[in-house]
Amino acid sequence: RKEVEQDPGPFNVPEGATVAFNCTYSNSASQSFFWYRQDCRKEPKLLMSVYSSGNEDGRFTAQLNRASQYISLLIRDSKLSDSATYLCVVASNFGNEKLTFGTGTRLTIIP
Amino acid sequence: DADVTQTPRNRITKTGKRIMLECSQTKGHDRMYWYRQDPGLGLRLIYYSFDVKDINKGEISDGYSVSRQAQAKFSLSLESAIPNQTALYFCATSDSPPRAFFGQGTRLTVV
Repeated sequence: RKEVEQDPGPFNVPEGATVAFNCTYSNSASQSFFWYRQDCRKEPKLLMSVYSSGNEDGRFTAQLNRASQYISLLIRDSKLSDSATYLCVVASNFGNEKLTFGTGTRLTIIP
Repeated sequence: DADVTQTPRNRITKTGKRIMLECSQTKGHDRMYWYRQDPGLGLRLIYYSFDVKDINKGEISDGYSVSRQAQAKFSLSLESAIPNQTALYFCATSDSPPRAFFGQGTRLTVV
């Protein structure tokens, strides 16, 4: 089983719609969680950290469910510029925080 | 100027050649990483370093070596390049909790 698993997609979503991705992780000792965005042929960039209580940044909402070991990302009122690959990232081994990346979910927003 | 700089950005080399990829950062982070990215496989960790005297193997270190010359510099070497090392290579730094910041990537082709 992979440490971090994501549905690769692609998700093709009309502009203005709401879209949600899930990501599951296998290590119950994981401490830190993030969503990254990667545009084609570019480097990944931090989109948002994921906190236990859930957190929101504009149109983006991230949730963490420790019991079921998954994190989610919700994008509301999607824009064309949201088209990208979204990477789920988990940091395991408290004190030796090595980042593990999911393979990413590809999102295309359709005009 | 980028906070994490990789050189070269693109490189074509022949099988059996030695090649070095360089990474420098101005973020003042102790932690540095080398990843490779292949289609469908996501980002895989090659080596990581939590300070100048600390070097650790990642999940796919065979065929690679690294050198942490200073807090700001972390280089990756392929001692004898082979075609299946053709990939997009990323250097990253992180703070704590481990939010990663990536260089722009090096596209390496081994022919």
